[in-house]
Amino acid sequence: SAVISQKPSRDICQRGTSLTIQCQVDSQVTMMFWYRQQPGQSLTLIATANQGSEATYESGFVIDKFPISRPNLTFSTLTVSNMSPEDSSIYLCSAGDGQGAVKLFFGSGTQLSVL
Amino acid sequence: TQLLEQSPQFLSIQEGENLTVYCNSSSVFSSLQWYRQEPGEGPVLLVTVVTGGEVKKLKRLTFQFGDARKDSSLHITAAQPGDTGLYLCAGVANNDMRFGAGTRLTVKP
Repeated sequence: SAVISQKPSRDICQRGTSLTIQCQVDSQVTMMFWYRQQPGQSLTLIATANQGSEATYESGFVIDKFPISRPNLTFSTLTVSNMSPEDSSIYLCSAGDGQGAVKLFFGSGTQLSVL
Repeated sequence: TQLLEQSPQFLSIQEGENLTVYCNSSSVFSSLQWYRQEPGEGPVLLVTVVTGGEVKKLKRLTFQFGDARKDSSLHITAAQPGDTGLYLCAGVANNDMRFGAGTRLTVKP
């Protein structure tokens, strides 16, 4: 298993600003992912954070809006850029080891509110 | 992109009752997972099923993977208030994982 620390746990931001969310894993992991979750709803994959290369984005998500860094096998950041109220959501970092059946471990999430 | 349908979407029961949550798809998965998420926390993996027809038990929770590896069920016996949460199924195919819409379970004391 992996323990994931995510911060900030919550933030209230002004429209037009940017927020960077950090995700630290206590061990080296092959895969790291960023999800968005509306309150009480399921998870939508934003992108796969690839170590040493550009992230792989899902349909509907673009690098200019959600730039992602992954400098090593234990750390990643997601930036929500030029925020609008529609970006208000829970953002979750997850990690998987890719050994056999994929198993994901999640951080506790970042509750973002954009005014 | 495979679509996972979960039912019911919401479920409110009394302590001690039994319940079953379903996860269905038209796609075949190499594995399927169930997660539980509590408010303010990330999802926590409960179980992974890999083999068609596989049944796994975790205390009062019984998980089954369909023979064709397209569907799964989660059965809870004698539900307790601590079982309250959002239950998510997630299917993996071609190293691509997708989540169902979730079942929000409330167990009243």
